[in-house]
Amino acid sequence: NAGVTQTPKFRILKIGQSMTLQCTQDMNHNYMYWYRQDPGMGLKLIYYSVGAGITDKGEVPNGYNVSRSTTEDFPLRLELAAPSQTSVYFCASSYTEAFFGQGTRLTVV
Amino acid sequence: EDQVTQSPEALRLQEGESSSLNCSYTVSGLRGLFWYRQDPGKGPEFLFTLYSAGEEKEKERLKATLTKKESFLHITAPKPEDSATYLCAVPVRSQGNLIFGKGTKLSVKP
Repeated sequence: NAGVTQTPKFRILKIGQSMTLQCTQDMNHNYMYWYRQDPGMGLKLIYYSVGAGITDKGEVPNGYNVSRSTTEDFPLRLELAAPSQTSVYFCASSYTEAFFGQGTRLTVV
Repeated sequence: EDQVTQSPEALRLQEGESSSLNCSYTVSGLRGLFWYRQDPGKGPEFLFTLYSAGEEKEKERLKATLTKKESFLHITAPKPEDSATYLCAVPVRSQGNLIFGKGTKLSVKP
């Protein structure tokens, strides 16, 4: 039982490049989330999903896109990377309490 | 507006020196309050869920309590391995996600 798995763990992007952060969970949770965490700012919700085929914006969605084609997977897409997207990204899933992945540390230069 | 505020931002304790962390919340219709521990470079790790005022949960040296306006995480006789950032969070009714406080960074010195 792996829980929530995120890949990659680290990535450096150049401004304007694109990438997809992968997230998969094996707990059959309907709810999945993407958060970003910046120093001193706490965790901010980017997008969330209440089930396969359903996604919605969170507090800070600009510059990101998501899809939810299966219960297990919830990838986060950055289309045109900007320095403001330098952050640590966490994926989570929940039934009642939320379980988090280990994070992806992204640097945009 | 739903809001979660944690204090203090940082807390330095000597090993064995007990203390408490505070989480105050403003939310319409509380549907639970969650405590997490986060170690550097790791994702938040679930500790406790509290659902109603007066409820208490314990795990090793940690005890979480809940009132109608705030929650406390009491740390009894802490050890250096308790050093971490402790986060509290409440669910947002309309979305089902959690809103987090900024956390309390706890350092326990031997």
